[in-house]
Amino acid sequence: DVKVTQSSRYLVKRTGEKVFLECVQDMDHENMFWYRQDPGLGLRLIYFSYDVKMKEKGDIPEGYSVSREKKERFSLILESASTNQTSMYLCASSAPGQGSYGYTFGSGTRLTVV
Amino acid sequence: GEDVEQSLFLSVREGDSSVINCTYTDSSSTYLYWYKQEPGAGLQLLTYIFSNMDMKQDQRLTVLLNKKDKHLSLRIADTQTGDSAIYFCAENYTGNQFYFGTGTSLTVIP
Repeated sequence: DVKVTQSSRYLVKRTGEKVFLECVQDMDHENMFWYRQDPGLGLRLIYFSYDVKMKEKGDIPEGYSVSREKKERFSLILESASTNQTSMYLCASSAPGQGSYGYTFGSGTRLTVV
Repeated sequence: GEDVEQSLFLSVREGDSSVINCTYTDSSSTYLYWYKQEPGAGLQLLTYIFSNMDMKQDQRLTVLLNKKDKHLSLRIADTQTGDSAIYFCAENYTGNQFYFGTGTSLTVIP
């Protein structure tokens, strides 16, 4: 069974902390994505990557960075967490050219910044 | 292609049909998708439709695509309590990158 695994389901962090959200996929997908989900706003793209060591800004990259040192792992980093980054974070992966398969999502990490 | 719109809430009685609507802005999208998100979980691909199709049926699910009006709908026949979830439509006009709607929260009343 193909999987996208996010390391934590729930996280509580303090304002100003550096936070790492990890995502690992076992499908050998080139493309990986980080979204945040907020009520009434849907999913908003933070960063994405089409290859190892490659990253591109999405629609809301401010306050975030990413790392992709290996094909299977895509990490989202909050350099200095703030309360407005309290949200559900979703990681997804896909293979290029396989449009009918869509994205495969992880179960999400619900981050609370206090 | 970023403006994908959905109504936020829908309530239906068990056994009735549900229709969830979506409008999108980019006519060059190759595929359009419906995802389902159950409470506390990630998104699961329900179904998709290729842009040159008008309709796709998959058991209780029917997807209708009106390219002229840029309108996509998902009909769930004989809606069950297990269908209660948030439903997202999505388009992929750049090939690798998707844009998602705001999500429609479906509540099924027993």
